[in-house]
Amino acid sequence: NAGVTQTPKFRVLKTGQSMTLLCAQDMNHEYMYWYRQDPGMGLRLIHYSVGEGTTAKGEVPDGYNVSRLKKQNFLLGLESAAPSQTSVYFCASSYSSGGQETQYFGPGTRLLVL
Amino acid sequence: AQSVAQPEDQVNVAEGNPLTVKCTYSVSGNPYLFWYVQYPNRGLQFLLKYITGDNLVKGSYGFEAEFNKSQTSFHLKKPSALVSDSALYFCAVRDYGNKLVFGAGTILRVKS
Repeated sequence: NAGVTQTPKFRVLKTGQSMTLLCAQDMNHEYMYWYRQDPGMGLRLIHYSVGEGTTAKGEVPDGYNVSRLKKQNFLLGLESAAPSQTSVYFCASSYSSGGQETQYFGPGTRLLVL
Repeated sequence: AQSVAQPEDQVNVAEGNPLTVKCTYSVSGNPYLFWYVQYPNRGLQFLLKYITGDNLVKGSYGFEAEFNKSQTSFHLKKPSALVSDSALYFCAVRDYGNKLVFGAGTILRVKS
């Protein structure tokens, strides 16, 4: 049981380039989330999904897009990377409700935009 | 909107001494509160949560947290700190739609 995995672990982009971050979970969780972590700001929610085929905006969605074509995968895309998107990105997943809201996190992707 | 605050950027404690990492919350309705820990270059790991019931919640690695409704606090505690407890700790509260709102984090340094 791998839990939540993220690909890649580290990436360097030039301003204006695009990329996709992949998150996969093998716990059959309905909910999946993308966060970014910046020093002194904790984790901020970018986008989330409550099920296959559905996505919704979080606190800081601008500049990012997501897709949830399969229940186990949640993709985060940067169409035109900017230096302000330099951050550590975490994916998480959880069951839907009923006291099962504990989120399980992946190991993170470090992104540097030059 | 739901929110949590961690008033201390860093907490320093000697190994063997008790530790407390503070968290206060602001919610409408009943709070669902969580503590997570992040070790260097790792993802967040779940420690414990308060949903309902006993105000003292026990979690992983010997940690516990005390829910105090009158003080709107959910402080993380451990009776005897270990050097290996040194990490970044996050308090979080459940928002609508099963989302979590995180505090800014508190660095815990345990010195031998």
